Amino acid sequence: ETGVTQTPRHLVMGMTNKKSLKCEQHLGHNAMYWYKQSAKKPLELMFVYNFKEQTENNSVPSRFSPECPNSSHLFLHLHTLQPEDSALYLCASSQDWQGNQPQHFGDGTRLSIL
Amino acid sequence: AQSVTQLGSHVSVSEGALVLLRCNYSSSVPPYLFWYVQYPNQGLQLLLKYTSAATLVKGINGFEAEFKKSETSFHLTKPSAHMSDAAEYFCAVSDNTGNQFYFGTGTSLTVIP
Repeated sequence: ETGVTQTPRHLVMGMTNKKSLKCEQHLGHNAMYWYKQSAKKPLELMFVYNFKEQTENNSVPSRFSPECPNSSHLFLHLHTLQPEDSALYLCASSQDWQGNQPQHFGDGTRLSIL
Repeated sequence: AQSVTQLGSHVSVSEGALVLLRCNYSSSVPPYLFWYVQYPNQGLQLLLKYTSAATLVKGINGFEAEFKKSETSFHLTKPSAHMSDAAEYFCAVSDNTGNQFYFGTGTSLTVIP
């Protein structure tokens, strides 16, 4: 098993659809993150969970809704997305939320909004 | 506030030549610094990290980086480029005031045979 697994790898959806991205980590980490990666832009941190509690929400639109049922699983629920939401969505985890802990990334979900 | 600047969005080197990818940071407190590599259709993989120990940090795949406080830099180097080094490289900074990483915009490395 790889450290951080994301499913699906690719997702195409219409603007009125509802879908969910899933992330699972097998590293025993306590912190999990969602990032958005768009071309020519720095990675954008969307949400942070530490011990299942959301600690950061970087002004993300409400059409993105995270869920962290336990320290190993993280979901990103999508609803009524816009074309500009097309991007690579990366999940990451770290031992805890201290700044000196490196983050381990999944391979991402490539999301395309029609 | 923290930020990272990566000079040069594209760098090309010949196989066997020195690789130098530049990263400058801005931080009001002692920083933690990281280099990540991203291959096509994959996530980011940690190359190396600086967390206030030795200023010269060695990472995987023959890469190393030197923390220079006076220059607020953390440039990534490799003595001899290999074809497999072609990828996107990201510098990131964080500190103990929060749990956020700030990433640069990335540098795409091309290795010419």
